[in-house]
Amino acid sequence: KQEVTQIPAALSVPEGENLVLNCSFTDSAIYNLQWFRQDPGKGLTSLLLIQSSQREQTSGRLNASLDKSSGRSTLYIAASQPGDSATYLCAPLSYNTDKLIFGTGTRLQVFP
Amino acid sequence: ETGVTQSPTHLIKTRGQQVTLRCSSQSGHNTVSWYQQALGQGPQFIFQYYREEENGRGNFPPRFSGLQFPNYSSELNVNALELDDSALYLCASSLGAGPGNTIYFGEGSWLTVV
Repeated sequence: KQEVTQIPAALSVPEGENLVLNCSFTDSAIYNLQWFRQDPGKGLTSLLLIQSSQREQTSGRLNASLDKSSGRSTLYIAASQPGDSATYLCAPLSYNTDKLIFGTGTRLQVFP
Repeated sequence: ETGVTQSPTHLIKTRGQQVTLRCSSQSGHNTVSWYQQALGQGPQFIFQYYREEENGRGNFPPRFSGLQFPNYSSELNVNALELDDSALYLCASSLGAGPGNTIYFGEGSWLTVV
């Protein structure tokens, strides 16, 4: 059974810092892993999708890496801004299932 | 804006009642999944529909049921509501049921059971 852990659970930083959000998963037999952002009371916005054959994906100030064998993914946020404040969720998609398994997320606050 | 729309956005129901939540998937997307997100938790998979057929189900009781229509829109029905059913219900659509497809979520429906 896939279990997903995200560390840290919460993070509060000043604007401009480079950030590292960690995601670990217990079952490395995955097709891909997706990172999402969730603003308070809102739905999920897809940020990055990394296929199991890929090592990383980049979109603007975001870079996500994947080490499938060790069951880890990392989301890097460069030059953080107050608008980045949200909860960040990772979700691997395991073999033989069509469901995403989510961690409880990292709640990020970036202050001016 | 993901193109996935859900209704209603908020609703309050009494324990024991029934509720229907609706989802319009992004244009061209034939796969719809439903997730339940309790406060402070990550979303949990309820079930998925692919071309009008159920294509996987999570650990939810039978009182959670669904439908997908020929236009690929979908409904989630919950009977005999319990207080613990209070949550954000999220609909997600994708182009196909297989891996490699980015999954797009709607804004969700907030259900409060009193």
